[in-house]
Amino acid sequence: QSALTQPPSASGSPGQSVTISCTGTSSDVGGYNYVSWYQQHPGKAPKLMIYEVNKRPSGVPDRFSGSKSGNTASLTVSGLQAEDEAAYYCSSYAGSNNLIFGGGTKLTVL
Amino acid sequence: EVQLVETGGGLIQPGGSLRLSCAASGFTVSSNYMTWVRQAPGKGLEWVSIIYSSGSTYYADSVKGRFTISRDISKNTLYLQMNSLRAEDTAVYYCARRAPSNWGLGYWGQGTLVTVSS
Repeated sequence: QSALTQPPSASGSPGQSVTISCTGTSSDVGGYNYVSWYQQHPGKAPKLMIYEVNKRPSGVPDRFSGSKSGNTASLTVSGLQAEDEAAYYCSSYAGSNNLIFGGGTKLTVL
Repeated sequence: EVQLVETGGGLIQPGGSLRLSCAASGFTVSSNYMTWVRQAPGKGLEWVSIIYSSGSTYYADSVKGRFTISRDISKNTLYLQMNSLRAEDTAVYYCARRAPSNWGLGYWGQGTLVTVSS
């Protein structure tokens, strides 16, 4: 399967909201509610921020929210803070015990 | 506390073999769904393999037939045996624990770098 499509970059000022998209197909994003989002700071391991499209693990601020429409999932970060500057990756179950990731989006807090 | 610690990375020549280890603490590897994910330098994440609590294993097409995921119950450790290594296998390899009810990878190790080069 091909990687999910994410914009290479996104940006916003502190306090603003930013939305990152993740586009797949009916065989992955559109076919299952198993979309996850990960935050990765430079040199660090990824951290799960959203699972099952819109659920937050314990400890993740409610400023992070997820949604899905058709073959496109989205991550919205509200009330941007400096520490939100990182790379964000989406992933989706793609059937047959396969998981695919997006190419990643570098979020810059201006 | 859940912890995952990968070891075994290093410089290896094309065509060579390497075995990565992922020592777990705070939970039992054999009772969980464990995965390997890799990240080439400056690139995105790529799922590599998964082993279920049942012992069933699955692989990405890019490594099928060359990599083998396994676990040692007595050592509570996950492994990735990598054979016929290629330059494009160069990456940081992470082990991660998958939630049983969804495909979120909630716990990750710090990663170990594998460099395939002559």
